[in-house]
Order: sequence, then C-alpha cells, then structure tokens
Amino acid sequence: ETGVTQTPRHLVMGMTNKKSLKCEQHLGHNAMYWYKQSAKKPLELMFVYSLEERVENNSVPSRFSPECPNSSHLFLHLHTLQPEDSALYLCASSPSDRSGNEQFFGPGTRLTVL
Amino acid sequence: AQKVTQAQTEISVVEKEDVTLDCVYETRDTTYYLFWYKQPPSGELVFLIRRNSFDEQNEISGRYSWNFQKSTSSFNFTITASQVVDSAVYFCALSEAGLENYGGSQGNLIFGKGTKLSVKP
Repeated sequence: ETGVTQTPRHLVMGMTNKKSLKCEQHLGHNAMYWYKQSAKKPLELMFVYSLEERVENNSVPSRFSPECPNSSHLFLHLHTLQPEDSALYLCASSPSDRSGNEQFFGPGTRLTVL
Repeated sequence: AQKVTQAQTEISVVEKEDVTLDCVYETRDTTYYLFWYKQPPSGELVFLIRRNSFDEQNEISGRYSWNFQKSTSSFNFTITASQVVDSAVYFCALSEAGLENYGGSQGNLIFGKGTKLSVKP
C-alpha cells in the first residue's frame, strides 16, 4: 500500500482548460517532488518542495504551476497546455530533500492533452 | 556532468532464466548515491535498493542482487530465476551529495531511461 496518493489517475483536457493534479503523502515527509515521464524519455524532475518552500524549478514552462499548502499536499495547476505535455505525472516524497533519501512515488496521473 | 545510462532498452527472457540489467553512471562527485526502482504496469515506481559511493559491497536480497563497481562506474542488477511478476520497467538513478552539486535540492534523482523487462511463462 503506497503512502503517496495521486488524483485523478487519468485526465483528458483540451488546450484551453484549467485543471489541477493533487498529491498527498501520509508518510510524514518534508520534501515532495513532481516528475514528468514521457514516452521514450527519462523521468524529468519538474519541481521540488522542502518544508513547503520551492527549492527547485527545473526550467518548467509557466503553464505548469505548483502549489504546496502544507508538507502533506502538493498540487500541480495546469493551464493552456500543449499536446506535447501529454505524459505520466508522478509525485514523490522523501524525508528531506538531502541526497541519499529514498523517494516514495505515487501511482501517477496519466494526462492527455487534446 | 551527471548522467545515468541504461543501454538495454528492452529485454525478454523466459521464466526461470537469470537476467542482468546494466547501469553505468557519470558523476564528478566523490559522494553520491545510486538507486534502483521498479515500475510495474500500474505506474508507480517502487524502491528496490540504495547504495552510497563508499560502500562497494555487493548486496543480495532474495532473487535480487546488485553489483556495484566504482572502477567501471557501474551498478548492475541481476534477477535470478526470473518470474512473470518481475515484468516491469527498471530504472537506475543517481543522487549527488558533494559540494559540486550545483543548484537546488541535493535530493535530485537523475534517472536512466529505463530497461523494460518482459518475463514470459
């Protein structure tokens, strides 16, 4: 049973829509992450939050907007996406954002942009 | 530059065969961590093992074993007597901890492209 949950599991949206992905961790961790997994590409780190502060923004377009209201919840707000943004979006958490910490992943949200 | 290479894109074996998944990494740091994750069809990545750069002891966990060799910058993963449930995509990842770590969070994982393992009955 994973300690990291993500909703929705599947999302289809048009390019003009606004939607949000939600991630929740029940592990008492202080760091949370968003990753993008596209076909035939390595997992790409998008954002890192540590103690609710954003510590990493990996050159992600502004049409992706993260929000971390507390250490247990992480959102990814989406607006005016492009078809190439279709991918599996994975959330992860770890005890801290220090090197060597194992990250625990959620099941992902499969996003399709039409 | 930090990089993880998994040269095998797809591997197909028959149940009970042994299979080795290769991982080669590049880093300028002397302190780093290596990981293996499994991604079954359900999508979530499952942690398998973590190794730090100062511990070159090989590890065995049931049918799984890992061979860490700093001399060749490799961290290979072997599944003995494979089973159908081992079918998944396996990712190797690197996390740097030294002063040379540039920008942002030290916890960043650099993933390889993954190796898709299919175990047929």
